[in-house]
Amino acid sequence: GESVGLHLPTLSVQEGDNSIINCAYSNSASDYFIWYKQESGKGPQFIIDIRSNMDKRQGQRVTVLLNKTVKHLSLQIAATQPGDSAVYFCAENPGQAGTALIFGKGTTLSVSS
Amino acid sequence: KAGVTQTPRYLIKTRGQQVTLSCSPISGHRSVSWYQQTPGQGLQFLFEYFSETQRNKGNFPGRFSGRQFSNSRSEMNVSTLELGDSALYLCASSFVQVPGELFFGEGSRLTVL
Repeated sequence: GESVGLHLPTLSVQEGDNSIINCAYSNSASDYFIWYKQESGKGPQFIIDIRSNMDKRQGQRVTVLLNKTVKHLSLQIAATQPGDSAVYFCAENPGQAGTALIFGKGTTLSVSS
Repeated sequence: KAGVTQTPRYLIKTRGQQVTLSCSPISGHRSVSWYQQTPGQGLQFLFEYFSETQRNKGNFPGRFSGRQFSNSRSEMNVSTLELGDSALYLCASSFVQVPGELFFGEGSRLTVL
């Protein structure tokens, strides 16, 4: 079936570095994308979202880029901090009615100080 | 403002039993959706409720069911439990029934022995 996937299961960076987490999606009908962060023992927490009529959106220390031509999504975290260590999931809404999301497998970000 | 509350947080059942999980959405949120999270399959959409009606259903067997009450609280039930049902069950709520930020609870961790 159609799914959202991530390129790397793990990513290790040094504190202060910029992190880039990538995601590929396969459903051309998807019109809404979202990044979540999940810390151990907690539910996913919203980071940032982007709709298909945009190619870039910035938040606080985070930027999401959407390339619809190659069906690619990325999350950039500036000046990564130890508190950013978590599993990051991209998700897509495949354009069906409702809020159902298809999640990727997740990338574990480890930040060392 | 209180977040999404899920009960119980942890539970252990044996094969063949049934289980009911509860979710209280953020006050004012009318859409509630459920996800199953396992190490192998990741986060998978179960179903979504809006105004007491199931609006969307994922690819799960009929043993998985749910409902929503007039106060937007939701329950999900799994009957005839199997070992493979061991997972973290996450509830998410949103204000409207359109793609947007979902607020997740911390989940109910079910272990089936």
